[in-house]
Amino acid sequence: NAGVTQTPKFRILKIGQSMTLQCTQDMNHNYMYWYRQDPGMGLKLIYYSVGAGITDKGEVPNGYNVSRSTTEDFPLRLELAAPSQTSVYFCASSLTGPNEQFFGPGTRLTVL
Amino acid sequence: GEDVEQSLFLSVREGDSSVINCTYTDSSSTYLYWYKQEPGAGLQLLTYIFSNMDMKQDQRLTVLLNKKDKHLSLRIADTQTGDSAIYFCAEVFSGNTGKLIFGQGTTLQVKP
Repeated sequence: NAGVTQTPKFRILKIGQSMTLQCTQDMNHNYMYWYRQDPGMGLKLIYYSVGAGITDKGEVPNGYNVSRSTTEDFPLRLELAAPSQTSVYFCASSLTGPNEQFFGPGTRLTVL
Repeated sequence: GEDVEQSLFLSVREGDSSVINCTYTDSSSTYLYWYKQEPGAGLQLLTYIFSNMDMKQDQRLTVLLNKKDKHLSLRIADTQTGDSAIYFCAEVFSGNTGKLIFGQGTTLQVKP
């Protein structure tokens, strides 16, 4: 199993550009999560999904959108990139809610 | 609101014990977790404790939970240079969805 994979690893965007961060897991996990990690801070939940077709907002959803059309994939979309979205983004998955969350390696995004 | 607090930095000598502390606010949390993040990597689950336990031991790791004071600690015995990393505690905000609230992370520096 590859676990949780994320692409790209690094990206630089200009203000106002859009992009999609990809996340895929091959563990047949129902639950998937997107977090952002700002320097010196813990992780903040952006969006999460408890199964295909079901998504909900986390603590910091503004400026982002998600979709979950399959169990494996949970892409995160930034429509109009802003400097405040400069961060490291982590995708995670778990079998069910209280179970261990497995994290991807992260995407480092810079918005200039 | 829900909040998890950790001290930001701890420096120890190789072979010493390390104790990383964490306070949380949600007394209904059912699980509390310790995650480890090595440089440039995602988070990896180290250990967890159920809220009905006071202590859990796993090889060099000891987790202590004081529910009255909402205090969680992680003790690493015989700390090695490979233990140098950022350690995050996290509480389950919502058991059904698995939403986690993370602390800011404690950077552990192990000197040879």
